[in-house]
Amino acid sequence: DGGITQSPKYLFRKEGQNVTLSCEQNLNHDAMYWYRQDPGQGLRLIYYSQIVNDFQKGDIAEGYSVSREKKESFPLTVTSAQKNPTAFYLCASSAPGRNTGELFFGEGSRLTVL
Amino acid sequence: AQKVTQAQTEISVVEKEDVTLDCVYETRDTTYYLFWYKQPPSGELVFLIRRNSFDEQNEISGRYSWNFQKSTSSFNFTITASQVVDSAVYFCALKVGRTSGSRLTFGEGTQLTVNP
Repeated sequence: DGGITQSPKYLFRKEGQNVTLSCEQNLNHDAMYWYRQDPGQGLRLIYYSQIVNDFQKGDIAEGYSVSREKKESFPLTVTSAQKNPTAFYLCASSAPGRNTGELFFGEGSRLTVL
Repeated sequence: AQKVTQAQTEISVVEKEDVTLDCVYETRDTTYYLFWYKQPPSGELVFLIRRNSFDEQNEISGRYSWNFQKSTSSFNFTITASQVVDSAVYFCALKVGRTSGSRLTFGEGTQLTVNP
């Protein structure tokens, strides 16, 4: 079935460690996004990529990094520079060449820093 | 800058009650799109509806209906005869301009609990 797969679903990290969250899609979508969800704050955009080998910072990019070497993959690295990394992270994609705003989401990765 | 406000943090109703989720948006753009997404306990957000700024016609889809009013910058969502399966977090979102891509600004979300 087509969709977005995020892994791992749950992740624990010690302070000072980098961690990479995986996001893979088989929808043939050009654009991909990473959002962070915190209680009471909705979703905030971290990074997005509209095409392979290109990506832009969102509203809260500090302490995060991404790459887009393949159309299907958009991994997010949470670095030790991120001051408050405990959150729920959602990856999304949108259809190619369309301006609809309709996003397809994965089931998320919950990161807890111990 | 854009902003979406969902003032209701949590709503609890009994099954079969009607419930309205409020959404107020702010933008200076004349071309924009409004959305509602549902986030069930599984975590992934599911697209429900999109409206553009030039179309204020209200929409009904089964038990769901949406009321878009530019005069009050609101895009409210009503569930008629609510069911336990409607329990979820609901997000209102805004996209401005005609540029390609789907960069959305989300509201804080409303947690809806429908009790049997």
